[in-house]
Amino acid sequence: EIVMTQSPATLSVSPGERATLSCRASQSISSNLAWYQQKSGQAPRLLIYGASTRATGIPARFSGSGSGTEFTLTISSLQSEDFAVYYCQQYNNWPRTFGQGTKVEIK
Amino acid sequence: DVQLVESGGGLVQPGGSLRLSCVASGFTVSSYYMNWVRQAPGKGLEWVSVIYSGGSLDYADSVKGRFTISRDNSKNTLYLQMNGLRPEDTAVYFCARGKRESEYWGQGTLVTVSS
Repeated sequence: EIVMTQSPATLSVSPGERATLSCRASQSISSNLAWYQQKSGQAPRLLIYGASTRATGIPARFSGSGSGTEFTLTISSLQSEDFAVYYCQQYNNWPRTFGQGTKVEIK
Repeated sequence: DVQLVESGGGLVQPGGSLRLSCVASGFTVSSYYMNWVRQAPGKGLEWVSVIYSGGSLDYADSVKGRFTISRDNSKNTLYLQMNGLRPEDTAVYFCARGKRESEYWGQGTLVTVSS
């Protein structure tokens, strides 16, 4: 099973600032990585797939990068609606595995 | 529009059984990989099971031998039969469409395993 490790666990950011979230895979997953946003009481929302492709309707302030074992989600200028928990997920192998999440909170 | 609606959650005693349903609209369930993903209270996401478009099945080790995924093509519905439930199975269960990433998710149904 591929282990996904996200850092940091919590990120405190002021509105308008840049947020950088990291995700590391325990073995190479090529670009088979997705990022999701989840707000309290809601289902996850797909942000990024293929490590760097934005999903339909996702604002350009969200960007993803990386390949192999190291990945990054960047939110260029945080808006109030972006404060949430973010998960990475690999789909290179079964079982699909998620990182433990990064909570982006208001500083 | 694509929509997924789960139901069937509730309170069940340890060792009990429950069947979750996920009714799909806007697409044909049998044409896609369909997954169950769960989230324990205050915890992260855990993939549980998948049914391939071709009908093959796969499970997380934590549920293998206890849970069974299936679909009813005539009802365009995905199921998760859960037997031998344990307190650690307490979670919100989501159905999600996708072989790779999952763009479409249901709203989830809460399963609580407690005496």
